[in-house]
Amino acid sequence: DERLVESGGGLVQPGRSLRLSCAASGFSFSTHAMTWVRQAPGKGLEWVASINEDGSDKYYLDSVKGRLTISRDNGKRSLYLHMNSLRGDDTAIYFCARHGAREAYQAFSYMDAWGKGTRVTVSS
Amino acid sequence: EFVLTQSPGTLSLSPGERATLSCRASQTVSRNYLAWYQQKRGQAPRVLIYGASSRATGIPDRFSGSGSGTDFTLSISRLEPEDFALYYCLQYGSSLTFGGGTKVEIK
Repeated sequence: DERLVESGGGLVQPGRSLRLSCAASGFSFSTHAMTWVRQAPGKGLEWVASINEDGSDKYYLDSVKGRLTISRDNGKRSLYLHMNSLRGDDTAIYFCARHGAREAYQAFSYMDAWGKGTRVTVSS
Repeated sequence: EFVLTQSPGTLSLSPGERATLSCRASQTVSRNYLAWYQQKRGQAPRVLIYGASSRATGIPDRFSGSGSGTDFTLSISRLEPEDFALYYCLQYGSSLTFGGGTKVEIK
């Protein structure tokens, strides 16, 4: 069975940095696009960033561009989210999610597998 | 900017009743690339429906999706106790956008 396990969350001061990781197992990691989704306390789901299968294409929510960077290491079967200049509104649970198979003309398919998330709290 | 508006915000129903959830898009969803997710407290979301009307693997047939263009619906024919949860729609035809969610609660 496919499994996604996030790590790296915690309490961090505003303006500081954090790196989230997502370890994948049970499926062919290098053949799936991947995404980070976050959920602020008591709020809905918010797409944050996505990366294609080989890491050559990356997409970001406007409000995180220039501060958050998505990357992947297919050899290590891992997805990352580098978070710089953190702000209070970055406080959320961050989920790693796998995209299903897509059509050739399609940027991304829907997300068909999710990790349990890692909590990030930005506070002084 | 793509906006998905889900209604109602909260749906209060009893087990055995039918639930109808709406997701309206601010522009046409390309190729009806619309998915529905269920999220229970403290858990990750789970995909129920993709492509507006296709059930994901292992999803009971009491869940069904319909709609096209800008108006989509998730229906749960007879609510089971485990169906009381949060539901989100997601469009994946132009970047990725979630709706604000509908809470289905026990009346």
